[in-house]
Amino acid sequence: GAVVSQHPSWVICKSGTSVKIECRSLDFQATTMFWYRQFPKQSLMLMATSNEGSKATYEQGVEKDKFLINHASLTLSTLTVTSAHPEDSSFYICSARGTVGPGNTIYFGEGSWLTVV
Amino acid sequence: AQKVTQAQTEISVVEKEDVTLDCVYETRDTTYYLFWYKQPPSGELVFLIRRNSFDEQNEISGRYSWNFQKSTSSFNFTITASQVVDSAVYFCALSEAADYKLSFGAGTTVTVRA
Repeated sequence: GAVVSQHPSWVICKSGTSVKIECRSLDFQATTMFWYRQFPKQSLMLMATSNEGSKATYEQGVEKDKFLINHASLTLSTLTVTSAHPEDSSFYICSARGTVGPGNTIYFGEGSWLTVV
Repeated sequence: AQKVTQAQTEISVVEKEDVTLDCVYETRDTTYYLFWYKQPPSGELVFLIRRNSFDEQNEISGRYSWNFQKSTSSFNFTITASQVVDSAVYFCALSEAADYKLSFGAGTTVTVRA
């Protein structure tokens, strides 16, 4: 079946540095990918919609200059947290909209735990 | 306004008991999708079910069953004869129109005690 893979699964970075998280669709082309953020014991909140070959669409309240999203191919979207601070520590998870399967199914990656120290 | 409401924050049951998780949603769209996901402590989201707005037929999958009622905008989830492995956070989610963005409920933490 379709698989979406995220890398890295865990990352610890120093405050002020940038960190990149990758989201790959392994056996299908993803025209659209979504990035969500989940703080501890909270729900998942959509951050942005990533469309292949065009600029990402950010949800209200999400800083586009801080959370850079690049969707350069139909199988890869990247989220870069720039100048990370401890408050950015969170679980980041992507989903991909595949064009195969029943009714354009949504597939989620395994998620990436970011800790900023 | 919150689109998906999961009123139960935490539910604790003893193994073999049934547990029902409530989900109430709000949308003006006539075409939408409802989802349930399971999130174990490791974090990944395990897909359980997707239901489109035109299919009100209830579904059963093993020990899991879902009750979709458009009249009350509810999409409740029941685990029958719960097991310890069912312990997790369960999220109900809504996707409106065809954009496939998901609005998640707050989640319900289910703890099944042996």
